[in-house]
Amino acid sequence: QQQVKQSPQSLIVQKGGISIINCAYENTAFDYFPWYQQFPGKGPALLIAIRPDVSEKKEGRFTISFNKSAKQFSLHIMDSQPGDSATYFCAARPSNYQLIWGAGTKLIIKP
Amino acid sequence: EAQVTQNPRYLITVTGKKLTVTCSQNMNHEYMSWYRQDPGLGLRQIYYSMNVEVTDKGDVPEGYKVSRKEKRNFPLILESPSPNQTSLYFCASRRPGLAGAEQFFGPGTRLTVL
Repeated sequence: QQQVKQSPQSLIVQKGGISIINCAYENTAFDYFPWYQQFPGKGPALLIAIRPDVSEKKEGRFTISFNKSAKQFSLHIMDSQPGDSATYFCAARPSNYQLIWGAGTKLIIKP
Repeated sequence: EAQVTQNPRYLITVTGKKLTVTCSQNMNHEYMSWYRQDPGLGLRQIYYSMNVEVTDKGDVPEGYKVSRKEKRNFPLILESPSPNQTSLYFCASRRPGLAGAEQFFGPGTRLTVL
């Protein structure tokens, strides 16, 4: 079965630090890699996404790095803030458009 | 406001008592789906619907039913709930195919089956 493996399961980062969450996939036919952010009591919401024809995408303090040969992609949060504390999900989309989800990472930013 | 709504938000029930969780979206999306979220397991898809009267099983469909009689509504039915269906449930919608890259999620329904 196709999988997306996400790590770590939880992460504590000091305010101002860099948060890094990693995902690895197996299927080379994936064509879209989104990251979703979920705050407590809310549904996930799209944060940032990348397609495999680029190696990096940056939106404000959030950057996706994509390594096609290693089949890995990661989310970097620069200058992490307490308001970034949330659960983050990576995902990958195969040709049938049903997203394959990572297990999630609970991020806590300590003031 | 474009949104996906779910009701109820919280539900405590007993084993075997049929229940329905409603989901409605106002974005005219063809595609809708249901997920359950459990600690350490992330989001697992229960059922999805590509359009009205078209539904298909996701990864964990056992014990659940769905129907799609109207484009905007996609209720989740538990005919005989069991304690292992205690979970946080999310409904989501998007446009179909490549154009529907972003999924819009509802606020979630926390279900406890005693």
